[in-house]
Amino acid sequence: DVKVTQSSRYLVKRTGEKVFLECVQDMDHENMFWYRQDPGLGLRLIYFSYDVKMKEKGDIPEGYSVSREKKERFSLILESASTNQTSMYLCASSSSGQGETQYFGPGTRLLVL
Amino acid sequence: EDQVTQSPEALRLQEGESSSLNCSYTVSGLRGLFWYRQDPGKGPEFLFTLYSAGEEKEKERLKATLTKKESFLHITAPKPEDSATYLCAVQAGGATNKLIFGTGTLLAVQP
Repeated sequence: DVKVTQSSRYLVKRTGEKVFLECVQDMDHENMFWYRQDPGLGLRLIYFSYDVKMKEKGDIPEGYSVSREKKERFSLILESASTNQTSMYLCASSSSGQGETQYFGPGTRLLVL
Repeated sequence: EDQVTQSPEALRLQEGESSSLNCSYTVSGLRGLFWYRQDPGKGPEFLFTLYSAGEEKEKERLKATLTKKESFLHITAPKPEDSATYLCAVQAGGATNKLIFGTGTLLAVQP
């Protein structure tokens, strides 16, 4: 079974703090993704990566950065957390190829005070 | 613009009452349509991938079908444990593996 793990299930941070969210997958997938999920807005893509050290902006990259130093690990960084970044953050991974399924981690619920 | 619309937003069923969820899509060159189940506070769990019109897939009480404009998730004789949000996503043609998600259907099955 594909396993995607995220470093924290719940996080509480203060405005202005630097926040790291980590994601690890164990299936040797090339592609990794970070989404945020908000009520009524669905899942929105923040960043994705199709190879080590490669990254592409998604639909809402502002205020975020990412790092992928190893194939299995993809980190999302909030340089200076703001209250509007309070959300559920979901990591996913997939193989390359047409119509490849994305498998999701359990999510991190982040509250920025 | 690529778009996915799910309906209804919410659906309440009695145990055993079969129904269908709809996912309409507008996409340039469909590479795949995906159904996920999401329980409260958890990540989406993969259910099905459909690739071409006419394709059908089944898993227990769930059956997914695909046409050129929409997909249906049929739920036969649902049980309370089928209560969840069901998400539909499409992968459009092109070089990336991005998915475009609908906002989901919240299903509640009452005993």
